[in-house]
Amino acid sequence: EPEVTQTPSHQVTQMGQEVILRCVPISNHLYFYWYRQILGQKVEFLVSFYNNEISEKSEIFDDQFSVERPDGSNFTLKIRSTKLEDSAMYFCASSPAEKREGNNEQFFGPGTRLTVL
Amino acid sequence: RKEVEQDPGPFNVPEGATVAFNCTYSNSASQSFFWYRQDCRKEPKLLMSVYSSGNEDGRFTAQLNRASQYISLLIRDSKLSDSATYLCVVRSSNTGKLIFGQGTTLQVKP
Repeated sequence: EPEVTQTPSHQVTQMGQEVILRCVPISNHLYFYWYRQILGQKVEFLVSFYNNEISEKSEIFDDQFSVERPDGSNFTLKIRSTKLEDSAMYFCASSPAEKREGNNEQFFGPGTRLTVL
Repeated sequence: RKEVEQDPGPFNVPEGATVAFNCTYSNSASQSFFWYRQDCRKEPKLLMSVYSSGNEDGRFTAQLNRASQYISLLIRDSKLSDSATYLCVVRSSNTGKLIFGQGTTLQVKP
């Protein structure tokens, strides 16, 4: 069964450093997302991406964040200058072409645990 | 008011019990509704979508009341493997953004 993959599974970095979190969405999917979950808190939407551009972003997704789909398979989240409060689990998700009717499942990757020291 | 609100629990029930979770959402324009399951330190996984007519999948029944902006999940004949956090999730926008509740923790004990 196809699945979303993410690397690395755990990233430790120093405050102020840049990190790139990588995701490989399911191959025929067209919609891509990043979410984060701070330990003990709810899952929060960061950004959605379609047709090579951001379609929606949350207040969390400030100028320190960027996303890119550099080739036909990878989808990356970059944090330019990490802060302590960026420590969280980051989940990538993808979904297939939007249907006109009915619900459309988002498939989540296993996540990257980011620890900022 | 929180966008999606759930009782965090935990709900501690014996095997075989029936347990119900409730959820309310604030945006009346919400389009789609889901229950996801999350095991400790793992990714959310879709349990079931929720339709206005109500829907059932084996031991799981989901209900939606748009007028009250209320969603429910009923689990019958609880198994030990049902122990997890159950996330109420709403999709409001055309971009597919999912809004998660904080989750309700279920512990099923032998």
